Parts: sequence; structure tokens; C-alpha cells
Amino acid sequence: GENVEQHPSTLSVQEGDSAVIKCTYSDSASNYFPWYKQELGKGPQLIIDIRSNVGEKKDQRIAVTLNKTAKHFSLHITETQPEDSAVYFCAAAGNQFYFGTGTSLTVIP
Amino acid sequence: SAVISQKPSRDICQRGTSLTIQCQVDSQVTMMFWYRQQPGQSLTLIATANQGSEATYESGFVIDKFPISRPNLTFSTLTVSNMSPEDSSIYLCSVDRGSLDTQYFGPGTRLTVL
Repeated sequence: GENVEQHPSTLSVQEGDSAVIKCTYSDSASNYFPWYKQELGKGPQLIIDIRSNVGEKKDQRIAVTLNKTAKHFSLHITETQPEDSAVYFCAAAGNQFYFGTGTSLTVIP
Repeated sequence: SAVISQKPSRDICQRGTSLTIQCQVDSQVTMMFWYRQQPGQSLTLIATANQGSEATYESGFVIDKFPISRPNLTFSTLTVSNMSPEDSSIYLCSVDRGSLDTQYFGPGTRLTVL
């Protein structure tokens, strides 16, 4: 089956700086890569996704890049704000969703 | 997107008892999923529930322990049976409205077993 690795497990940044979270996957059949944000006491919320026919996608301060050859994809958050503090999960999907291990992001005011 | 609600939001249960978690969606969906998220961990798929058929369980999860119902296209239940403290987790339902569509998650049910 698929194996999704996510790094780093924890990340602290100063408000206004950028944050980057990276994921790698193993199954070349995976062709859909969503990112979820989970705040304390809540379910994961989709924040951005990318499909295998696209290399990059941007939505305001959030962007995702995909390198299918290297089997890795990354989440980029620019101009971070305290409300960006949460746990972020990547996922790789073919017939099933496989989630990364999560990154706890703290934005320091 | 989809609006998903879960009941209860949290519960504290005694060892050996059972708890049924409800998941309600605001629109008809083909596939519903149940996940377990242990404290500080990622999401682990328990089973996939399609309306009108038996749920499909992932390795390590069995129907006797986690029976699932899917009576219609907007509702599902997960029962955690004969609970032990190791079952203390957040249980999440999610929905997928089509092939390779994204999954939308409910708010979760936080279960503590004493």
C-alpha cells in the first residue's frame, strides 16, 4: 500500500514568516493530494488540494507544489498569522486516502 | 463541500460498555468513511460504508468490534463495542461524493474509556 511521510512533525515560525511542510509518497498510482488543517477539538478541514496533472496551485497565502517524478509535494504558507497555528495533514489518494503523520505549526506573535 | 454533524461530540464511558456514534450529512453521498485518531496521531481508516451493502473494514478492524450501519445516503452509525481504555480516541466520519473527490470530515467524537 501507500506510505506517506510528512516533515517536520513540529514547526514554529514568527508571525509574518513563511512555513513549509513537505510530504513524500511511495505509490506512483496516487494522483490526488489534499492538505487538511485541524484545529484543537475540531475535525480536519480541507485547505487546498492538487491533482497529478498540475505542478502548482495557489490560493491567497497558501500554495501547494507537486513533483510527481520525485514523489513529493509541499505546502507553503506565506505571511503566517497566529490563526494559522494548527496541525496540518497531507494525504495521497488513488483508490484510498493515505494520511501523513501531521505537522504541528505554531505561529508566534 | 458538505456539512457533516456527529453525535455525541464527546463521551466518557465505562469499560465493557458500547457507544454508538451518529454521522449526518446535509446532502446525499455515495461513500462514507469512519476514521480513528488516537491522541497526537494521524488518521487511521476503520471502514468504508456504502449504502445498501456491508461495510468494508481495514486490516486490524473487525465488524464485531466496530459494527457500522448505513441505512440511507445521508446517515451512518459506528458502534464501538465492549470498550477498553485502548479505544479512547477521536472518531471521525467523512464523506466522498464521487471517484477521487476529496473527503470532508465531521467534527469528531472524542471518546474516553475508563
